[in-house]
Amino acid sequence: NAGVMQNPRHLVRRRGQEARLRCSPMKGHSHVYWYRQLPEEGLKFMVYLQKENIIDESGMPKERFSAEFPKEGPSILRIQQVVRGDSAAYFCASSPPSGRAGEQYFGPGTRLTVT
Amino acid sequence: SQQGEEDPQALSIQEGENATMNCSYKTSINNLQWYRQNSGRGLVHLILIRSNEREKHSGRLRVTLDTSKKSSSLLITASRAADTASYFCATDAGNNNDMRFGAGTRLTVKP
Repeated sequence: NAGVMQNPRHLVRRRGQEARLRCSPMKGHSHVYWYRQLPEEGLKFMVYLQKENIIDESGMPKERFSAEFPKEGPSILRIQQVVRGDSAAYFCASSPPSGRAGEQYFGPGTRLTVT
Repeated sequence: SQQGEEDPQALSIQEGENATMNCSYKTSINNLQWYRQNSGRGLVHLILIRSNEREKHSGRLRVTLDTSKKSSSLLITASRAADTASYFCATDAGNNNDMRFGAGTRLTVKP
C-alpha cells in the first residue's frame, strides 16, 4: 500500500516561471491538504480539497496560487509567476472519506527553490 | 511517512483539568513541533521547540523536550471544551524534506 506521493521532490524555477507540484493521495483517500513550510518554521495550512471540490482555501495567498483535485489524477498545487519568497517546502497530506481527525498521512514534500 | 509515537492515542478529561500528551521519536532532530487538528480541517501549528531548548510556553500550552530520551510532552492547562481535537507532534531533522509526523492523540474535553 503506497503512501502519499509527491513529485517532484525538488523543483528549481526562475522568477516569473510557473511551478506545478503534484500530490497522489493514498489509495482510497479522497481528501487532500496542502501545507507550506518555510525554513525553521512549522507547517502552514494552505488548502483543503475533496475530489473536484475546494473545501477550505483560507490559507491560500490571494494571487498566483491555485489548487485542484480532479476526479482522475493527482492533486496539483500551481504557483504562477514565482518569486523568491515562494521558496519553501510544500507538503500534502491525504485522509480517507471519513475525514476523521487524526487520520492524515503526509507525503515527503516538494522543495521549491526560486532563483 | 508517519513516524514517531504519541501517547496516549486517546485522552478524555473534564473541562478545567490538565491534559498531557507525550511524543517519542527515533532520530536526531533539529526541532520538534506540535500541531492541532479539528475534524475535517487542516493542521494548525501550535509550538516549535528547537533541539537546544528544554521548555517553551505559549498561553495555556507548555512543551518540554528531552533530547536524551528523544521525547517531548505537550501540556494543556485548564482545558476547555474547545480544546477537543487531535494533537500531533512532528520532528524536523533539518535535512531537506525530512518532516516526520506521529499518529496523533485524540483529546476530548467534556464540558
